Amino acid sequence: DGGITQSPKYLFRKEGQNVTLSCEQNLNHDAMYWYRQDPGQGLRLIYYSQIVNDFQKGDIAEGYSVSREKKESFPLTVTSAQKNPTAFYLCATARSGTGRANYGYTFGSGTRLTVV
Amino acid sequence: AQTVTQSQPEMSVQEAETVTLSCTYDTSENNYYLFWYKQPPSRQMILVIRQEAYKQQNATENRFSVNFQKAAKSFSLKISDSQLGDTAMYFCAFVNMNYGGSQGNLIFGKGTKLSVKP
Repeated sequence: DGGITQSPKYLFRKEGQNVTLSCEQNLNHDAMYWYRQDPGQGLRLIYYSQIVNDFQKGDIAEGYSVSREKKESFPLTVTSAQKNPTAFYLCATARSGTGRANYGYTFGSGTRLTVV
Repeated sequence: AQTVTQSQPEMSVQEAETVTLSCTYDTSENNYYLFWYKQPPSRQMILVIRQEAYKQQNATENRFSVNFQKAAKSFSLKISDSQLGDTAMYFCAFVNMNYGGSQGNLIFGKGTKLSVKP
């Protein structure tokens, strides 16, 4: 079945550590996105990539980094520079052009990151 | 910049009744889509319904329908015959389809928590 796999489901980070959240898709979608969800804040865009080897900052990119070396993969690294990383992180994909509107966006099941 | 506003943080409805969730948005673009997403306790995001800005006819998907008022920049969701499984967070979202920096990025409202009571 085609879909998005986010791993791990739960992740615990110590102060000062970098951690990487995985997002893999087999939908053959061009665009991939990372969102952060906090209570009462909705979903806020961290980074997005419309094509392999290219990505752009979203609204809250500080303290995060990404790579897009393969179409299927868009890992997110939460660095020690992110002062409040405890949140729920969602990865999403979409087709290019009007396909993203006609077919909507597909979301992974998310990763819950907690700083301990 | 585009913004999406959901003014009802929480709502409740009796099973089998009808409820309407509000959403307003702000944009200067003319080519865009609007979506309603549902996020149940499992936290999986599920597409409920979508509306193309160029279409005047309101979208309908079974018990879910929208009231799209383009001039007022309003996009409300009506849920008819509410069921216990409709209990979830509901997010209104906007995507600009015109070429530009924000093209294709989903912009979300803060959500409305809907509780369906038996």
